Amino acid sequence: AQSVAQPEDQVNVAEGNPLTVKCTYSVSGNPYLFWYVQYPNRGLQFLLKYITGDNLVKGSYGFEAEFNKSQTSFHLKKPSALVSDSALYFCAVRRGVNRDDKIIFGKGTRLHILP
Amino acid sequence: SAVISQKPSRDICQRGTSLTIQCQVDSQVTMMFWYRQQPGQSLTLIATANQGSEATYESGFVIDKFPISRPNLTFSTLTVSNMSPEDSSIYLCSVGGVTGELFFGEGSRLTVL
Repeated sequence: AQSVAQPEDQVNVAEGNPLTVKCTYSVSGNPYLFWYVQYPNRGLQFLLKYITGDNLVKGSYGFEAEFNKSQTSFHLKKPSALVSDSALYFCAVRRGVNRDDKIIFGKGTRLHILP
Repeated sequence: SAVISQKPSRDICQRGTSLTIQCQVDSQVTMMFWYRQQPGQSLTLIATANQGSEATYESGFVIDKFPISRPNLTFSTLTVSNMSPEDSSIYLCSVGGVTGELFFGEGSRLTVL
C-alpha cells in the first residue's frame, strides 16, 4: 500500500528566511510525487511534481522540491519565504498513472510566514 | 492544465436535505474525481466518475449517499443525500493531467445545521 507522511502540522518561518516543508512516502516501484498548496477558502493548486529525471524539481511561485530515493523523501523548499506563502501545503504520491493508481494525500502542513 | 468550475461555492443546508454540486471542465476528460476535505483534514477520494458508466466508489462511500452523474465528458454532479452535520466539508472536483497530477476546482464548502 502507498502512503505519504507530513510529520509537521505547522511550520513557522520568518519572512526572507529559507523554508522547508517535509514529506516522506512509501510506495512500491518508482513514485510519482506532487506538492499542492491551498490558500484559505480556495481549492488546491498544483505546485510541482517529480516523475523522473533530476532530483531537484522547480515549480510555481519559486518553490522547489528535492527527491531523495534513499530517504524516500520529497521535501518542499524555497530560498526566501514571503508572507504570501502562508497557506496549507499537501504532499501527494501515486504509484503510476494507470486508472487504478490513485493519488494519496498527506495530512497537510500549515505554513506561517512571519513578517 | 484544466479550468474547473464548481457550483455552489458554499451553502448552508438543513439536516435531512440533499444538495447537488456541479462541476464543469473547460476540456473533455475521461475521468473526473470527487474528493471530500473535512475540517482540518486531508483529502479523501469519494469516487471516480467515468462518462458512460457508473461511478467507482472508494471504501466507506456508497452510491445511495453520494450519487454521481457524468452525462458527458465535461460535466459531473455529486449529490450529498440526507445530510447530517457530519457531512459538513469541502467537496472538491478534480481532473487528471497527462503526467498524473490532479487539477482541482475551487471547492464547494458545505455546512449542515
